[in-house]
Amino acid sequence: EPEVTQTPSHQVTQMGQEVILRCVPISNHLYFYWYRQILGQKVEFLVSFYNNEISEKSEIFDDQFSVERPDGSNFTLKIRSTKLEDSAMYFCASLGVAYNSPLHFGNGTRLTVT
Amino acid sequence: AQRVTQPEKLLSVFKGAPVELKCNYSYSGSPELFWYVQYSRQRLQLLLRHISRESIKGFTADLNKGETSFHLKKPFAQEEDSAMYYCALGGGAQKLVFGQGTRLTINP
Repeated sequence: EPEVTQTPSHQVTQMGQEVILRCVPISNHLYFYWYRQILGQKVEFLVSFYNNEISEKSEIFDDQFSVERPDGSNFTLKIRSTKLEDSAMYFCASLGVAYNSPLHFGNGTRLTVT
Repeated sequence: AQRVTQPEKLLSVFKGAPVELKCNYSYSGSPELFWYVQYSRQRLQLLLRHISRESIKGFTADLNKGETSFHLKKPFAQEEDSAMYYCALGGGAQKLVFGQGTRLTINP
């Protein structure tokens, strides 16, 4: 069964550095998402992306965050200048267009900001 | 505003006992509700959704609009059911709103 893949599985970065989290969604999917989960807290929606543009974003997704689909296969989340509170698991997800298609999640990237 | 509440962070039951994981939601429209499961070191997986009205791995969940609930139930727990369970609201191309999650532990 096709899967959403995320790299790296764990990223450690220093406060103020830029990080790029990478995702390869399932190939025929058209809707893409980033969620995050701070340790001990709920999974929170960050952003959705469709037709090469952001379709919805949450309050968390401020100017420090950006998403891109640079080459038709990768879907990236960039954090421009990381803060300690950005430490979390970041999950990528994708959705097909078939009716009742479920959301498929990647394994997540654990981001640690020191 | 959309909100999902899972009142129990931790739930521990013995193997063979019935399990009920509670989920309540707040949504003004017609809700789509889901249960996701995350086994140790694995990704979030869809367990079931209310529109399917199916039973997966012995789990069922009924949408009760009057009580705004979507509790997950299984009559006889198995050790392999130990996992994190998340109730979620939304669906289609919409964002999902997750509850806090319940860590279910099945004791032998």
